[in-house]
Amino acid sequence: QVQLQESGPGLVKPSQTLSLTCTVSGGSISSSGSYWTWIRQHPGKGLEWIGYIYYTGSTHYNPSLESRITISLDTSKNQFSLKLSAMTAADTAVYYCSRGVWYGAQVVPFDPWGQGTLVTVSS
Amino acid sequence: ENVLTQSPGTLSLSAGERATLSCRASQSVSSSFLAWYQQKPGQAPRLLIYGASSRATGIPDRFSGSGSGTDFTLTISRLEPEDFAVYYCQQYGGSPWTFGQGTKVEIK
Repeated sequence: QVQLQESGPGLVKPSQTLSLTCTVSGGSISSSGSYWTWIRQHPGKGLEWIGYIYYTGSTHYNPSLESRITISLDTSKNQFSLKLSAMTAADTAVYYCSRGVWYGAQVVPFDPWGQGTLVTVSS
Repeated sequence: ENVLTQSPGTLSLSAGERATLSCRASQSVSSSFLAWYQQKPGQAPRLLIYGASSRATGIPDRFSGSGSGTDFTLTISRLEPEDFAVYYCQQYGGSPWTFGQGTKVEIK
């Protein structure tokens, strides 16, 4: 059973770059058809898809964040990472990692999810 | 961007009752790539339904999804105490993938 766990700083200063890592256990990050996703939830608000990286390394980002995002894979550690630059208070949120799988014409989206990590942007 | 609008915002029901949640998209959802998630306080969302009507692994059959195009429905046939939560729909047929604002199912 695949499990995911986010890690990273809980507090980031404005203008800095956020770096988060998601460690995958119970399955390989290189598994065929898998895509690895970051999603965030602003306090008391709804959900926002940030972007994903396919098991091949190709990426797909939310256009609203694309200029500030980098998602990468580290197959040696079975991890994937998010970098979000030029952080502002508006980026304060719980950040989740998740897995999706493409099965030919069918897609199973975000399942499972990590427990989430709260990132606060403040000086 | 495909905007998803969920209704109602809050649904007040009793255990044992039937819950019907709606999700309307501003554009047709490609290939019925529409999912539903359940989120309880302090927890990550959990996938319930994908492909508009396929139940995710381990999801009880009291949860069912239907719809196509721009109108989708999540039905909980008989509410159990653990079903009181917030439910989100999400489309993954067009970029950017988007979520609805959520429907809260609360105890009446």
